Formats: sequence, structure tokens, C-alpha cells
Amino acid sequence: DGGITQSPKYLFRKEGQNVTLSCEQNLNHDAMYWYRQDPGQGLRLIYYSQIVNDFQKGDIAEGYSVSREKKESFPLTVTSAQKNPTAFYLCASTAGGSSYEQYFGPGTRLTVT
Amino acid sequence: AQSVTQLGSHVSVSEGALVLLRCNYSSSVPPYLFWYVQYPNQGLQLLLKYTTGATLVKGINGFEAEFKKSETSFHLTKPSAHMSDAAEYFCVLGETSYDKVIFGPGTSLSVIP
Repeated sequence: DGGITQSPKYLFRKEGQNVTLSCEQNLNHDAMYWYRQDPGQGLRLIYYSQIVNDFQKGDIAEGYSVSREKKESFPLTVTSAQKNPTAFYLCASTAGGSSYEQYFGPGTRLTVT
Repeated sequence: AQSVTQLGSHVSVSEGALVLLRCNYSSSVPPYLFWYVQYPNQGLQLLLKYTTGATLVKGINGFEAEFKKSETSFHLTKPSAHMSDAAEYFCVLGETSYDKVIFGPGTSLSVIP
């Protein structure tokens, strides 16, 4: 079955540590996205990538970094510069072009103490 | 500027009653509109989408939505609520620049037995 996988489901880190969240898709989609979701709030765009080796900042990119070395993979690193990293992180992809339909992974809940 | 509003952050209905979740949008170009559902600690799942053509769109799990250009609305309905419908619902607008989308703030639906 085609889809998006995110691992791990739950992640715990100490304050001051960088942590990388995994996102892999086998949908052959061109575009991939990272969102952050806080309790009772909608989704906020962190980074997105429309093609390999290229990515753009979203609305809340500070304290985060990404890479897109392969079409299938779009890992997100939460750095120690992110002041409030505890949140639910969602990865998504689209086929690209004028297709706005986003396919979502199951999410990773990051807790930093 | 393009935007999405959802009237009511929390909606409660009795089991078997009509579900109506409201969504209004602002867009200077013909919109692409989506409804997604999110169950606790999970990713988002597409319920239905409007791109062009028929203004009454049917989706999964008995949901449907009607695109009304004159009212700039895309309300989600279901004739009879089921306990399993309790979830967070997001109205989403496709933005014209690349593949970015705009999420509404979400509506939490509770179903009372």
C-alpha cells in the first residue's frame, strides 16, 4: 500500500538536544510538507519542498531545519534553538502541479523536557 | 488575501442528529476546497474535495459538502451523526501559489449518545 510513514510515533528528548523526525513516502509525490500542531490549534507550516534538493520556509521555520536528498524522504530536525518544541508534527505530500490534495502521515508526538 | 474560517471551534450534536460544520473562505481565484478529519493522535484523512464541476460533493462516511460561490461557503453536513464521527474537522483552501494550502482553525465535533 502506498502512503506516508513517520517514525517514531512518540519521541522524548531533553532540552538542548537536537532531534530528527523521519518522513518517508512511496506515493511518488513531488512535494512534501512539515506541519506543527499544538493542542486545540490548527496546522502551521514549517517547511515544504517541491523538488529534490530544494525547500522553502513556511510560516514557522525558526528553530527547524530540513533536507530533501531523495524524493521519498523529507526529514525534519528540531534544533535546540526552537524555544517550544513540544508538539505534534505531521508530514504530508502532494502529487505536485495544481494538485492541492495532501496525503498525511500518522504524525510524531515530540515531548521535550 | 486568501483565508479560511470555521464558525464554532466546538460543536456538539446528539447521536442521530444532523451534523453541520461551517466553513467560509476568501479567495480571489476559483478555489479548491477540502474537508479533512483528524482522530486523536492521528494524521489527517481526506473526507471530500471540490475542484470544479458539481457543487454538491459527496465524501466518505456519509459526509457531503456544498460549494456556494455566492456565499463563499463550503459547509460540511451529514444527515445522521454516529458516535464514530467524533473528531476534529478541518476545512482547507488550495492556494494558487504552488501547492500550499490554507487550513482553517478546525472544529471539534462531539457526539452525545
